[in-house]
Amino acid sequence: DAMVIQNPRYQVTQFGKPVTLSCSQTLNHNVMYWYQQKSSQAPKLLFHYYDKDFNNEADTPDNFQSRRPNTSFCFLDIRSPGLGDAAMYLCATSRTGDFLWPNEKLFFGSGTQLSVL
Amino acid sequence: RKEVEQDPGPFNVPEGATVAFNCTYSNSASQSFFWYRQDCRKEPKLLMSVYSSGNEDGRFTAQLNRASQYISLLIRDSKLSDSATYLCVVNKGNTPLVFGKGTRLSVIA
Repeated sequence: DAMVIQNPRYQVTQFGKPVTLSCSQTLNHNVMYWYQQKSSQAPKLLFHYYDKDFNNEADTPDNFQSRRPNTSFCFLDIRSPGLGDAAMYLCATSRTGDFLWPNEKLFFGSGTQLSVL
Repeated sequence: RKEVEQDPGPFNVPEGATVAFNCTYSNSASQSFFWYRQDCRKEPKLLMSVYSSGNEDGRFTAQLNRASQYISLLIRDSKLSDSATYLCVVNKGNTPLVFGKGTRLSVIA
């Protein structure tokens, strides 16, 4: 059974039209992450939450926003998508966020492939 | 210098071959190291953690060289199903994981 669920699997939006991607988890993990991955590139961290504490990466554009209304759900809002925002968006969770713990690992959702027309 | 650097490949190898990938990292304070596997248009999946003493999981062996700041992954007896992109991942303590761009492997029959 999927533990990190992303919807939709494929999303098509128009240039400049706001879009929201969703992620939910059944693991009760404290930390949730959003990564952006373009073709043949590394997954790039956009932001993450330690519980309700929001952490934005310095180079994440203002066009990207996030909400975490409760432990289970996290949303990625792209206010005005540009052609360069077409990518796979990966949601992930981890229990504590401390990867020195032997059993700590990232649990990824299956991703949302975003196309911008 | 990028935090994590990998040779993008592709590495094209015949079935049964042994293949090795290296990855270098720039932050000498990095403490945790991992290899992830990613299939085309799928999410990354943890292949193995990399421990200081080196570790082996079946046909896969991971090594860490802190002095030279690189980690390696060795795959023995390659299978067609090993074809994927292998992502090198590092982090420092409780900071989020940083991914490399990956090395693409194609195992050919």
